[in-house]
Amino acid sequence: AQSVTQLDSQVPVFEEAPVELRCNYSSSVSVYLFWYVQYPNQGLQLLLKYLSGSTLVESINGFEAEFNKSQTSFHLRKPSVHISDTAEYFCAVSGRGNTGKLIFGQGTTLQVKP
Amino acid sequence: DAGVIQSPRHEVTEMGQEVTLRCKPISGHNSLFWYRQTMMRGLELLIYFNNNVPIDDSGMPEDRFSAKMPNASFSTLKIQPSEPRDSAVYFCASSFRGRGPSYEQYFGPGTRLTVT
Repeated sequence: AQSVTQLDSQVPVFEEAPVELRCNYSSSVSVYLFWYVQYPNQGLQLLLKYLSGSTLVESINGFEAEFNKSQTSFHLRKPSVHISDTAEYFCAVSGRGNTGKLIFGQGTTLQVKP
Repeated sequence: DAGVIQSPRHEVTEMGQEVTLRCKPISGHNSLFWYRQTMMRGLELLIYFNNNVPIDDSGMPEDRFSAKMPNASFSTLKIQPSEPRDSAVYFCASSFRGRGPSYEQYFGPGTRLTVT
């Protein structure tokens, strides 16, 4: 079985500042890892994913996440945030070989202030 | 592609009434997931299907909830009778599970259910 812990429920940050959203997971098997973003009144959208290969993965809008197996973490970072990045961010894990079921964390609300 | 389609987008009903939520997955996808999102409990997986077959319904709260997937292009989530604590946003998501790793789920816009 897998579980996900997002350590911060809310992260306030000023525009153009860097940000890190933390995610830790537990699993007895190898995993795939994901970050999803949910803008107000919308469904979740995939932001980035780690399946294999390079442990650093990037999104098209400047976010990146690094898979750290020894620390069982998959933290999300952005060097300079914009107002439009205000949203809720969900970390998710799936055990390899299962039926595609994702286990989501509780979510972190990123509040970007002008 | 139109993406995952859910209907209705908003539903307001009285306690005791039957509620049916509908989902059309992305064409070609073979896995479908129903989630519920509330402030208190976050995002919960209720049930998911692979190739129209229910695989895991352990997240279904109780017998008042039922889900069906009669074909690859349609699924329903039914609550009968509904209760105020069922008020939430219900999301449907679909994905394609093939030989290689994917697991990317595409979410619909959600149905906001309010039970008074």
